Amino acid sequence: AQSVAQPEDQVNVAEGNPLTVKCTYSVSGNPYLFWYVQYPNRGLQFLLKYITGDNLVKGSYGFEAEFNKSQTSFHLKKPSALVSDSALYFCAVRGDFGNEKLTFGTGTRLTIIP
Amino acid sequence: DAGVIQSPRHEVTEMGQEVTLRCKPISGHNSLFWYRQTMMRGLELLIYFNNNVPIDDSGMPEDRFSAKMPNASFSTLKIQPSEPRDSAVYFCASSYRTGGHYGYTFGSGTRLTVV
Repeated sequence: AQSVAQPEDQVNVAEGNPLTVKCTYSVSGNPYLFWYVQYPNRGLQFLLKYITGDNLVKGSYGFEAEFNKSQTSFHLKKPSALVSDSALYFCAVRGDFGNEKLTFGTGTRLTIIP
Repeated sequence: DAGVIQSPRHEVTEMGQEVTLRCKPISGHNSLFWYRQTMMRGLELLIYFNNNVPIDDSGMPEDRFSAKMPNASFSTLKIQPSEPRDSAVYFCASSYRTGGHYGYTFGSGTRLTVV
């Protein structure tokens, strides 16, 4: 079975500081990894994904994520946080064959403090 | 592209009533997913279709829930009879696979309240 762990329910970062939202995964085969963001009363918006290739993936709004196979991690990062980055962030995984379903983590609420 | 379209956006119904949620996937996407989001259980997959055929319905809670995809441009999730514990936000998503590239796009969701 595939699974995602987001160990922090809440992350607080001062505006202008770098931010990291952590994600580790478990899946059979090679992982396909995704980050989504959810603003209040909205759907999930795609940020970035790792399918294959470079371990450092760049996405929307200045976010990036680093795939680390040995640590089975896919942490989301941004060099300088904005207040508008405050939202709920979800990491998701699926395997590279068979079932196409995305399994999500429990989410991390990111709050950027002005 | 209008994205994944879900209707209604909000639904309030009384316990015991039938509820039907609707989804129009992105044209050309060949898989469709229904997810449910609650505070207690987070985002959980209920069912997904590939080329209009149900592939994995292991997440469907019980027989009160049913889903159909009669064609490539429409899917429904029905709850009959509804119960207060069904209150949640229901998301539909569609996905594509092209030359090794994958993408999943979510709709804005239907907020269901059963009173």
